[in-house]
Amino acid sequence: DIQMTQSPSSLSASVGDRVTITCRASQGINNYLAWFQQKPGKAPKSLIYAASSLQSGVPSKFSGSGSGTDFTLTISSLQPEDFATYYCQQYNSYPLTFGGGTKVEIK
Amino acid sequence: QVQLVESGGGAVQPGRSLRLSCAASGFTFRSYGIHWVRQVPGKGLEWVAYIWYDGSKKYYADSVKGRFTISRDDSKNSLYLQMNSLRVEDTAVYFCAREGVPAAKGFDYWGQGTLVTVSS
Repeated sequence: DIQMTQSPSSLSASVGDRVTITCRASQGINNYLAWFQQKPGKAPKSLIYAASSLQSGVPSKFSGSGSGTDFTLTISSLQPEDFATYYCQQYNSYPLTFGGGTKVEIK
Repeated sequence: QVQLVESGGGAVQPGRSLRLSCAASGFTFRSYGIHWVRQVPGKGLEWVAYIWYDGSKKYYADSVKGRFTISRDDSKNSLYLQMNSLRVEDTAVYFCAREGVPAAKGFDYWGQGTLVTVSS
């Protein structure tokens, strides 16, 4: 199975900050990397697919980059509605696997 | 608009069975593959199972293989997860999620989830 390692597991940031979350796969995943946002008590929301493509309706303050085994999610200017937990996921091969999550909290 | 609505969760004893449903609307259900993903409350996401758009292929996590069965009824725009021999560790919120077309688009829509509690 492909292991997905996210870092950090949590971070504190202020409104307006630029935030970067990293995700590393245990082997190459052909850029089949997705990012999701989840707020407490809610379903995950799909943000990015194929490492860098925005899902429909997702604001451009979210961006993804990377290739091979190392990927990043960047939020350009953190807003109050962005405080949530973020997960990466590889969908290159079964079983699909998720990172452990990064909780973005208010400083 | 695309909607996925899970149902069928509840409290059940270990060793018993439960069937979850995911009702789809707002899109051509028969054209999409669908996943089940679960989440232990307060923990991370775990992929559970997937069924191709035409039902011809199915994949399962090792943790549920041989106990859970994914199926679909396109005439009812519905996805199912038959869960047998339930264990305490199957306690989680279960989400259905649509795979985008093409598949490279990954998961694009999620349902709101249904809670399954396995306890004696």
